[in-house]
Amino acid sequence: GAVVSQHPSWVICKSGTSVKIECRSLDFQATTMFWYRQFPKQSLMLMATSNEGSKATYEQGVEKDKFLINHASLTLSTLTVTSAHPEDSSFYICSAREGGQGLRSYTFGSGTRLTVV
Amino acid sequence: DAKTTQPPSMDCAEGRAANLPCNHSTISGNEYVYWYRQIHSQGPQYIIHGLKNNETNEMASLIITEDRKSSTLILPHATLRDTAVYYCIAANQAGTALIFGKGTTLSVSS
Repeated sequence: GAVVSQHPSWVICKSGTSVKIECRSLDFQATTMFWYRQFPKQSLMLMATSNEGSKATYEQGVEKDKFLINHASLTLSTLTVTSAHPEDSSFYICSAREGGQGLRSYTFGSGTRLTVV
Repeated sequence: DAKTTQPPSMDCAEGRAANLPCNHSTISGNEYVYWYRQIHSQGPQYIIHGLKNNETNEMASLIITEDRKSSTLILPHATLRDTAVYYCIAANQAGTALIFGKGTTLSVSS
């Protein structure tokens, strides 16, 4: 089945630094990728949608200059949290969708636990 | 996408069937019902999805009412490893993002 690899699985960074999270589709081409954020004991919240070769579409309330998304190829999307602060500490999850329709067209990565100290 | 309503929590004894209900009374004709689950600190895992017919795979069965206003996910023989948050999502296949509600926390105990 489709596999999405997310790296790193966890990261601790100092306040004010930037962190990059990678999301790769291993055995399929992902024309669209989605980034979610999840705070403790809450559900997944959609942050942005990225399409290969074009600018990401951000959800209301998500700062595009803070959460930089790059989807430069059909197998890789990156989320960079710039100038991270403790309130950015969260569980970040990516999802990739294969081109076209079909069963299980949404596959999720294993998530990245970000802690900003 | 149609809004779904699920009970916040359910308990199930190990080895018994777990029946998780979902209400989606405003679902439109081209929206599928998807079920995902999330085990603590992991990404969501696909379980099953369907449009109007009942579906079964190696993980679960999905029963959709004839009017499509509700559905039930059935785990036939729950194990401790099935303890997770289960999300029911109504979405079309146009490729937009899945929107997650609060889900049902299923606790399986021995």
